[in-house]
Amino acid sequence: KAGVTQTPRYLIKTRGQQVTLSCSPISGHRSVSWYQQTPGQGLQFLFEYFSETQRNKGNFPGRFSGRQFSNSRSEMNVSTLELGDSALYLCASNPTPSIETQYFGPGTRLLVL
Amino acid sequence: GIQVEQSPPDLILQEGANSTLRCNFSDSVNNLQWFHQNPWGQLINLFYIPSGTKQNGRLSATTVATERYSLLYISSSQTTDSGVYFCAVATGNQFYFGTGTSLTVIP
Repeated sequence: KAGVTQTPRYLIKTRGQQVTLSCSPISGHRSVSWYQQTPGQGLQFLFEYFSETQRNKGNFPGRFSGRQFSNSRSEMNVSTLELGDSALYLCASNPTPSIETQYFGPGTRLLVL
Repeated sequence: GIQVEQSPPDLILQEGANSTLRCNFSDSVNNLQWFHQNPWGQLINLFYIPSGTKQNGRLSATTVATERYSLLYISSSQTTDSGVYFCAVATGNQFYFGTGTSLTVIP
């Protein structure tokens, strides 16, 4: 099976812009989680989607949003970008909402200038 | 949320040496998992270990849930073991990562 894919892999934006990141889970996996990794805050949970419904959300402002499509692909959107949004954004795929079976993608590196 | 602390923060080993990484957590958890993040950022699952002991090759892990800690053992370390090791715990449906241990194995 192909692994989790994330696009784009690298992205440069300027403050105030918005960005959309995409995650395609492993075939057959219906749960997708998103994480932000920064040197200062480490790895932080953003949100989790299962069957097109958001199940959980971490402690992030409303500028961070996501959605999941019927084919389980997920997108996350960050509006009004700030310098502090520069990070590695990781997506994880599970067959069902279970931490035991999380498989991570390679990540999208976002740089906000 | 739950506090997850890992020690040591940094570790440098000679190839062939053994090491023990520790993860302490502040509250009862449903699940605990160890990950290795390679230098390119890819996170790889190592163990799902909410309690007990597991072994996979040169790696093994033990979690003592009642005392709120987990240990990751690396034996006969190799340069490919370099990277950052994270433990992550979950309570309910929230998932919390530790601060990581950065391991460098030198030949």
